[in-house]
Amino acid sequence: EAGVAQSPRYKIIEKRQSVAFWCNPISGHATLYWYQQILGQGPKLLIQFQNNGVVDDSQLPKDRFSAERLKGVDSTLKIQPAKLEDSAVYLCASSLAGTGGPYEQYFGPGTRLTVT
Amino acid sequence: RKEVEQDPGPFNVPEGATVAFNCTYSNSASQSFFWYRQDCRKEPKLLMSVYSSGNEDGRFTAQLNRASQYISLLIRDSKLSDSATYLCVVNRRAGNMLTFGGGTRLMVKP
Repeated sequence: EAGVAQSPRYKIIEKRQSVAFWCNPISGHATLYWYQQILGQGPKLLIQFQNNGVVDDSQLPKDRFSAERLKGVDSTLKIQPAKLEDSAVYLCASSLAGTGGPYEQYFGPGTRLTVT
Repeated sequence: RKEVEQDPGPFNVPEGATVAFNCTYSNSASQSFFWYRQDCRKEPKLLMSVYSSGNEDGRFTAQLNRASQYISLLIRDSKLSDSATYLCVVNRRAGNMLTFGGGTRLMVKP
């Protein structure tokens, strides 16, 4: 079974530029998550979708970050404009949804962003 | 205060040693608990869930103390391949929303 796919794997941009990350979850997984992992820290949840609706985005810096999952499958996360402190690995994860959870979250390989 | 706290380590142990990691969480309403493993420059992967009664998976034993809001992971007979960062994870409430600790780094040496 294919895992969570993410692209690009690496991205280097200058501050104030824009960047977008893409995620394709495991087939059949209704719930999709974006996490930010700064070096030396654990992953921090940015946003959680169930199908194409947002479940929680309380930790998403909405002045510069946006995310969408228009058809309930793939998702994109955008940063505009980027700051130096956005340098991190952006992890996408997916899981089943519904009663009977919690369900295991499966992570993609991440996108390593460096802002210079 | 962080919602999930762990000693970052590193814990340097010889092969065959027994090592224990601890974790505390602040939200008493937390519903479920996990240990994830993260290898260097890789994504986190579920190692095991943690139950109030304690649970064991081979060389790994996890325990939960809800009264003290404390979670532990014990690794017996450490292998070189156990070298990784171990993340303590708490599901804050219904909805499968995870809060990760900062991780504890383990290095097993020959």
